[in-house]
Amino acid sequence: GAVVSQHPSWVICKSGTSVKIECRSLDFQATTMFWYRQFPKQSLMLMATSNEGSKATYEQGVEKDKFLINHASLTLSTLTVTSAHPEDSSFYICSARDAGLAGSEQYFGPGTRLTVT
Amino acid sequence: AQTVTQSQPEMSVQEAETVTLSCTYDTSENNYYLFWYKQPPSRQMILVIRQEAYKQQNATENRFSVNFQKAAKSFSLKISDSQLGDTAMYFCAFSEIQGAQKLVFGQGTRLTINP
Repeated sequence: GAVVSQHPSWVICKSGTSVKIECRSLDFQATTMFWYRQFPKQSLMLMATSNEGSKATYEQGVEKDKFLINHASLTLSTLTVTSAHPEDSSFYICSARDAGLAGSEQYFGPGTRLTVT
Repeated sequence: AQTVTQSQPEMSVQEAETVTLSCTYDTSENNYYLFWYKQPPSRQMILVIRQEAYKQQNATENRFSVNFQKAAKSFSLKISDSQLGDTAMYFCAFSEIQGAQKLVFGQGTRLTINP
């Protein structure tokens, strides 16, 4: 149990286009999902906290208009990178917390590698 | 704000040896969670072990155990009988018990197990 999927696993897009990344909890309901960014050989940096049915909470320094997050259901959150540029190239990871369990454990998706050319 | 510090960027040991990864953190909270996550080359984050701060007993999971020193704000991970599959990045993480329970990660330690 506790599986989180991400789609796509990798994507290449041209500068100026938008890319949508999906994060799904497959066998549990997630009232809260998190989006992280990870540069090569670095740690995970939290970008935003996504709550089902409400607006996402962004971390300081993360552009809300550039990284659009939607959490429309208890099993799906999406991250849209708008007007992508080469500096947005990175590894994006989502995680989800099981609404039915106490204890703060987050289950991570396998990540999405974004390359902007 | 909470911070997590891992002072060992890289470590390398021989297979079957025991290795200890260090982690310190800073918080004004009394109750919280601490985690060790493993990120192998596949980059899938895997939970290794979890510790609740209100529990005095150190958590253990098979070959993995922690040394939790609350007063010193230290949370080290010991891997016994290390295996080649333990080669990965290891991240220490902190989470509050209340609120959004966001994870704050340390910088990571790259662990290599040599045959």
